[in-house]
Amino acid sequence: DGGITQSPKYLFRKEGQNVTLSCEQNLNHDAMYWYRQDPGQGLRLIYYSQIVNDFQKGDIAEGYSVSREKKESFPLTVTSAQKNPTAFYLCASSLTGFPRETQYFGPGTRLLVL
Amino acid sequence: RKEVEQDPGPFNVPEGATVAFNCTYSNSASQSFFWYRQDCRKEPKLLMSVYSSGNEDGRFTAQLNRASQYISLLIRDSKLSDSATYLCVAHSGSARQLTFGSGTQLTVLP
Repeated sequence: DGGITQSPKYLFRKEGQNVTLSCEQNLNHDAMYWYRQDPGQGLRLIYYSQIVNDFQKGDIAEGYSVSREKKESFPLTVTSAQKNPTAFYLCASSLTGFPRETQYFGPGTRLLVL
Repeated sequence: RKEVEQDPGPFNVPEGATVAFNCTYSNSASQSFFWYRQDCRKEPKLLMSVYSSGNEDGRFTAQLNRASQYISLLIRDSKLSDSATYLCVAHSGSARQLTFGSGTQLTVLP
């Protein structure tokens, strides 16, 4: 079955720790995205990538980093510089990144700070 | 002012009712619009795209008014399974970015 997988489902971060969230897709999509959702709020874009080895900052990139070494994979690292990381993190992909395309979402990772 | 604004609700309606959600967007350069549905603690899923002429998919009708920068979603004959949060989404005008509203929560009651 084609789709987007995210792991882990739940992740706990200690003070000062970097953590990496995994996102993999087998839809053969060029564009991938990372969003953050806080309770009662809409999704906010962290980073996006339209092609391998290229990515762009979204609206709230500070304290996060990404890489796009393979078409299928777009991992997100939440660094210690992100002071309020507790949120629901959603990865998405679309065919080429053009505005009219549907974005397909993974099941999400809930990050909690200990 | 938020780029995409929605009434957060909650909307509590009986089964079989008709319910309408509204959404306004501030970026007049926005070209594409969508409604996504998000179940509790799950990922958003596309419900329907919104076209200039308006479009219908079964019990769901979406309308776009560019002059007023306003999008609507109408759900007829509500089902219990329609209970979810409905997210209004606009293409922000900058390359490759979508802007999501905060969502409107719907509960359909038996």
